[in-house]
Amino acid sequence: GQSLEQPSEVTAVEGAIVQINCTYQTSGFYGLSWYQQHDGGAPTFLSYNALDGLEETGRFSSFLSRSDSYGYLLLQELQMKDSASYFCAVRGQAGTALIFGKGTTLSVSS
Amino acid sequence: DVKVTQSSRYLVKRTGEKVFLECVQDMDHENMFWYRQDPGLGLRLIYFSYDVKMKEKGDIPEGYSVSREKKERFSLILESASTNQTSMYLCASRTGTQGGQPQHFGDGTRLSIL
Repeated sequence: GQSLEQPSEVTAVEGAIVQINCTYQTSGFYGLSWYQQHDGGAPTFLSYNALDGLEETGRFSSFLSRSDSYGYLLLQELQMKDSASYFCAVRGQAGTALIFGKGTTLSVSS
Repeated sequence: DVKVTQSSRYLVKRTGEKVFLECVQDMDHENMFWYRQDPGLGLRLIYFSYDVKMKEKGDIPEGYSVSREKKERFSLILESASTNQTSMYLCASRTGTQGGQPQHFGDGTRLSIL
C-alpha cells in the first residue's frame, strides 16, 4: 500500500521561510503532489514533482528525491494568508486516485 | 475554471437512513473521487471512478457505495447511515491518468448523522 508521513504542525512568523517535509512509501511512484487547504475551504493544487530536484512557483517551491522517497514544500516570505493545512500526495496503487498524507497545519503569526 | 459542485454544504440525517451525496463537474473529466476528511486523519479515499459506470474501491469503502451513470455526476451513497460516518465529504475530479494532472475539489459536504 501507500503511506505518507508529514509533521502535524508548523509555526512561523511573517516574512520567514518554512519547510514542510514529506516521506512516502509506495509500490509504484507516479510523482509527489502538494495541496493547500484553508480552514473551511476546498483543497487546491500547489505543485507536482515527477523528477528529482526543485520546482519553483513564485514564493512556493517543491523538492523531490526519489532515492530517499522524500520531498518538501518550501514557503518563502511567509504571509498571514499562508496559514493553512498542506498535504502531500502520491498516486495510489489502484489507479488514478491520489492518496494524501494527514496534513501539516501551518500557523503564521505577525 | 473547473467547477466541482456538491449538492449540499451541510446535511443532517438520522442513523439508519439511506443518504445520497451528489457531485457534478463541468469539465468533462474522466476521473471522479470521493474522500472523507476527519481531524488528524487527513483525506481518506472512499471510492473513485475512471469512467461512466466504472468504480473502484478506495481505502475505506465499507458502508458506502457509489453511482456514476453520467460522466459529469458521481454520487456517494451511505446505505444505512451510522454515527461514525459523521464527517466532511469531499468530491474531486481530474482529467487523464498522468500523475501531474491536478485534482479539483468541491467545497465539501459536512454530514452529521444523529
